[in-house]
Amino acid sequence: NAGVMQNPRHLVRRRGQEARLRCSPMKGHSHVYWYRQLPEEGLKFMVYLQKENIIDESGMPKERFSAEFPKEGPSILRIQQVVRGDSAAYFCASSQLAGLQETQYFGPGTRLLVL
Amino acid sequence: AQKVTQAQTEISVVEKEDVTLDCVYETRDTTYYLFWYKQPPSGELVFLIRRNSFDEQNEISGRYSWNFQKSTSSFNFTITASQVVDSAVYFCALSVSPTGNQFYFGTGTSLTVIP
Repeated sequence: NAGVMQNPRHLVRRRGQEARLRCSPMKGHSHVYWYRQLPEEGLKFMVYLQKENIIDESGMPKERFSAEFPKEGPSILRIQQVVRGDSAAYFCASSQLAGLQETQYFGPGTRLLVL
Repeated sequence: AQKVTQAQTEISVVEKEDVTLDCVYETRDTTYYLFWYKQPPSGELVFLIRRNSFDEQNEISGRYSWNFQKSTSSFNFTITASQVVDSAVYFCALSVSPTGNQFYFGTGTSLTVIP
C-alpha cells in the first residue's frame, strides 16, 4: 500500500534553470494537490488537479509555474527560470474523492534549492 | 477569509510530561473540517486526525487527545506522557465548504521532547 510518492526528494538548480517535480498519488486516488512550504512557515496551497484537468489554481504564481496531471503518469509541477525565492519544500497530496470531507494524504516533499 | 493560528512556535518538554499544542481557527463557514498533521525530522507529513464542525466530541487515540471547542474556535492537541519520538513539527489545518479543496495551514509548532 504505497503512499504518495514524490521525486526527486532533493533538487538543486541554478537561477534560470527549470525544475520539474513529480508526484504519484496513492493508489485509487485521482485528486492531486500541490502545496509550497517556505522556511519557518506553514504549507500554502498552490493548485488542485484531477486527471487531465486543473480544477483550482488560485494559489499558483501567475508566471513561471505550471502544473499538469496527465491521463497516464504522475502529476508534474514545473517551475521555469527558477529564482532564489523559489527555494522551498514542495508537497503533493492526494485524495480518493473530491469534497469537503476528504482527507488529503501527503507525500514526503521535494526540497528545491536554487543557487 | 480563513486563517489558522498556532501561536506556540517552539515547545520543549521533558520526556513523560504532558504537552498541549494550541490551534485557533477563523472562518465564516458553518461547515468545515479541522486536521492535525505531524512532520517528523524526516520531513514527510503524517495525518493524525480529522474533525468536522458538527462534531464537538473530544477524541482520544492512545496518548493523543484532541479538544474541539467551537465557542473559542479552538482545536487543541494534547500528548500525554510524551516520548522522544513525538519530537516533530505539528500542523493544524482547516478546510471549508463548499469544496474543501484547499487546506489552510497554521505555521506549525515545533515540539522537542528531551530524554
